[in-house]
Amino acid sequence: DAGVTQSPTHLIKTRGQQVTLRCSPKSGHDTVSWYQQALGQGPQFIFQYYEEEERQRGNFPDRFSGHQFPNYSSELNVNALLLGDSALYLCASSLPSGSVADTQYFGPGTRLTVL
Amino acid sequence: AQSVTQPDIHITVSEGASLELRCNYSYGATPYLFWYVQSPGQGLQLLLKYFSGDTLVQGIKGFEAEFKRSQSSFNLRKPSVHWSDAAEYFCAVGLDSWGKLQFGAGTQVVVTP
Repeated sequence: DAGVTQSPTHLIKTRGQQVTLRCSPKSGHDTVSWYQQALGQGPQFIFQYYEEEERQRGNFPDRFSGHQFPNYSSELNVNALLLGDSALYLCASSLPSGSVADTQYFGPGTRLTVL
Repeated sequence: AQSVTQPDIHITVSEGASLELRCNYSYGATPYLFWYVQSPGQGLQLLLKYFSGDTLVQGIKGFEAEFKRSQSSFNLRKPSVHWSDAAEYFCAVGLDSWGKLQFGAGTQVVVTP
């Protein structure tokens, strides 16, 4: 059983560009959350998708947007990249109830570098 | 506002010695508390979690944590560390019923021979 997978592993972009990161949840999971982990910091919640809708959002600007597909995979899009967007982006999936009691499984992340 | 504090940025411990990582939280209601470990190139792995009941929680890889409401703490312990325990450890609190997590800044653990 594959766990949470993310692509690409690494990505280099320049300021002002747009980027799309992808996540496939663990089998049987339909709730996907995205986190940003800057160097030397803990992950910060960006948003969560459930039933193809953004269910809740953290304190991130509208430049960060997402999507969830019918197969529960998800994309994170960041527009107008800033140097400060350089970080490890983590995807986490959980069971259909999506409750805090359920274990969230994290992917290995996508390392985004903005030059 | 809710917060999670890990006072120790970096800890060095000898292999075979005991390990304790500190975590303090600020949260109004009964907290949902977690410890995750992150090894280089890997995602976060859940070590253990606390929701209610017995305040001493057992986790994977020989880790345990104790919830102390009076001290707003949820410290992680391991009696005897192995070289493979070298990693970064994150304490987190669940902010709502849907699983939104707030993480501390992490503690880097180095294990020496």
